[in-house]
Amino acid sequence: SQTIHQWPATLVQPVGSPLSLECTVEGTSNPNLYWYRQAAGRGLQLLFYSVGIGQISSEVPQNLSASRPQDRQFILSSKKLLLSDSGFYLCAWRPRNLAGYTFGSGTRLTVV
Amino acid sequence: GQQVMQIPQYQHVQEGEDFTTYCNSSTTLSNIQWYKQRPGGHPVFLIQLVKSGEVKKQKRLTFQFGEAKKNSSLHITATQTTDVGTYFCAGGLRGNQFYFGTGTSLTVIP
Repeated sequence: SQTIHQWPATLVQPVGSPLSLECTVEGTSNPNLYWYRQAAGRGLQLLFYSVGIGQISSEVPQNLSASRPQDRQFILSSKKLLLSDSGFYLCAWRPRNLAGYTFGSGTRLTVV
Repeated sequence: GQQVMQIPQYQHVQEGEDFTTYCNSSTTLSNIQWYKQRPGGHPVFLIQLVKSGEVKKQKRLTFQFGEAKKNSSLHITATQTTDVGTYFCAGGLRGNQFYFGTGTSLTVIP
């Protein structure tokens, strides 16, 4: 069965520090991978998606970047965090047959 | 801008009452998905609707896709405390992308 791992679960980082969040998927190959952010409140904002290794699409201009160095690995990064980067970051994958998203357990990032 | 709107934003019901959340899009959707997020948790996929006018049921939950494929609803009959959480719709638009609604936060009062 497919599983998705996301870490860390919580993170407190100072303004101006770098960020690296990692997500890996097991039990599937060539998945579509996504990074979402959920601000305090509820809405899910799509940040990046990837349909293959090295292929990254960005939905909104921002202080973050994403990379997909391996088929089942998706990384969210920042060189210098802003206060506004605080939020709940969710990695997700979806099979090519357009079924539902499977979300990771998320990372709660607080920038102080 | 926001392409998939969801109402209401919040809903408080007494246990045993019914609950409905509505999802509306300004453009025709290819399909629609529904998710539930428990407090402190991550969204979990519930169901996908594809056909115009489609109705699907999961126990006390009834999902409907509008005839014009621009709106959808989730109805819960006789709510229970285990139904607490935020319910999201996600509308499939261009290509392979889904856009999430703003969510409806359901509180069930015992």
